Amino acid sequence: DTGVSQDPRHKITKRGQNVTFRCDPISEHNRLYWYRQTLGQGPEFLTYFQNEAQLEKSRLLSDRFSAERPKGSFSTLEIQRTEQGDSAMYLCASSLAGGAYEQYFGPGTRLTVT
Amino acid sequence: AQSVSQHNHHVILSEAASLELGCNYSYGGTVNLFWYVQYPGQHLQLLLKYFSGDPLVKGIKGFEAEFIKSKFSFNLRKPSVQWSDTAEYFCAVNVWDDKIIFGKGTRLHILP
Repeated sequence: DTGVSQDPRHKITKRGQNVTFRCDPISEHNRLYWYRQTLGQGPEFLTYFQNEAQLEKSRLLSDRFSAERPKGSFSTLEIQRTEQGDSAMYLCASSLAGGAYEQYFGPGTRLTVT
Repeated sequence: AQSVSQHNHHVILSEAASLELGCNYSYGGTVNLFWYVQYPGQHLQLLLKYFSGDPLVKGIKGFEAEFIKSKFSFNLRKPSVQWSDTAEYFCAVNVWDDKIIFGKGTRLHILP
């Protein structure tokens, strides 16, 4: 399968713990995006990378959130000191650079904070 | 800040009915517009997009959308829906090669 993959698919954690998610984009795509989706909402933009450079971060991305894409390939999203409000589906997407290009989405990681 | 508004949160139709889902965006300049669809248990995928040229764009599975610049709208249409069109539909806008902003989605349920 050459699509976007995300790992893990589901994560249950206790409040206060740290979690890390991984996204592997389509190999030729230089852009990688992270979104968060909660019930009844569309995907909300968190951050995106072009190659290894993080170009923009949403105000939704508090100091507890950090994302990296060290070699311009896979990316990780870490949430420190998780809170119940962090429970959501975390989506990764990749694309070629350029606004008209389609974003290809992964299956998401569903985070539940208890 | 750019925003996308989808008029209907939940639509229920019978098979063979016609569909129109409303979408309005707030930005006065050049935009790229998208409709994404999420079938039950599947990833988000692109249904169709507009970035220039003919304002009537055709997508997969018989869907089409019309960009009306004066109304800041990009409504999705299908003349005759099928049970397999049951899904959640998201309108989205991209400005100046930047991130995509999504609407809240419309959950479409087709009765067989």
